[in-house]
Amino acid sequence: EIVMTQSPATLSVSPGERVTLSCRASQSVTDNLAWYQQKPGQSPRLLIHGASTRATGIPARFSGRGSGTEFTLTISRLQSEDFAVYYCQQYTSRPPGLTFGGGTKVVIK
Amino acid sequence: QLQLRESGPGLVKPSETLSLTCTVSGDSISSSSYYWAWIRQTPGKGLEWVASVYYSGGTYYNPSLKSRVTISSDTSMNQFSLNLTSVTAADTAVYYCAKYQVLLGGDYHYYYGLDVWGQGITVTVSS
Repeated sequence: EIVMTQSPATLSVSPGERVTLSCRASQSVTDNLAWYQQKPGQSPRLLIHGASTRATGIPARFSGRGSGTEFTLTISRLQSEDFAVYYCQQYTSRPPGLTFGGGTKVVIK
Repeated sequence: QLQLRESGPGLVKPSETLSLTCTVSGDSISSSSYYWAWIRQTPGKGLEWVASVYYSGGTYYNPSLKSRVTISSDTSMNQFSLNLTSVTAADTAVYYCAKYQVLLGGDYHYYYGLDVWGQGITVTVSS
């Protein structure tokens, strides 16, 4: 089983700042990596797929990078609505399965 | 617009079977090359994939739950369902249904992410 590790667990940031979240896979997942945002009481929302492709309707301030085992999600200028928990998630085909990271909570400094 | 909605009991007794249904609207569950999945979320373990069913009927399970889980689809009702047997308090969670797509090409595959989610249903295991 591929284990996804996110760091840090919590990030304290001021509005307007740039923030980078990290995600590491225990073995290569090539570019089959997605990022999600989840706010309290809501379902997760897809931000990024293919490690770097923004999902439909996602603002350009969200960007993803990486391949293999190391991935990052960057929010260029944090807005008030971006304070949330962010999860990375990988997909493998043999056998087909999905694994999530433990999440990074972005809080207001 | 594709929408998913979970339904089922909010309370299940220990050792019994948890049964949930996801109703799909806005597209046919069998007409597109989508995977339909159950994901659960607990405070302790975070988000956990439970199982998926392919539009053509293939099923896939989280190895840690495989012995207790069955996922199935009902094309006539445009629904897919989850059965989890012998539940314990550890199965208490918010259960989400979701949809994803994978592009296959020989040895290459591209995963498009879980792009549509239901609103989630809270299931508590307690006597």
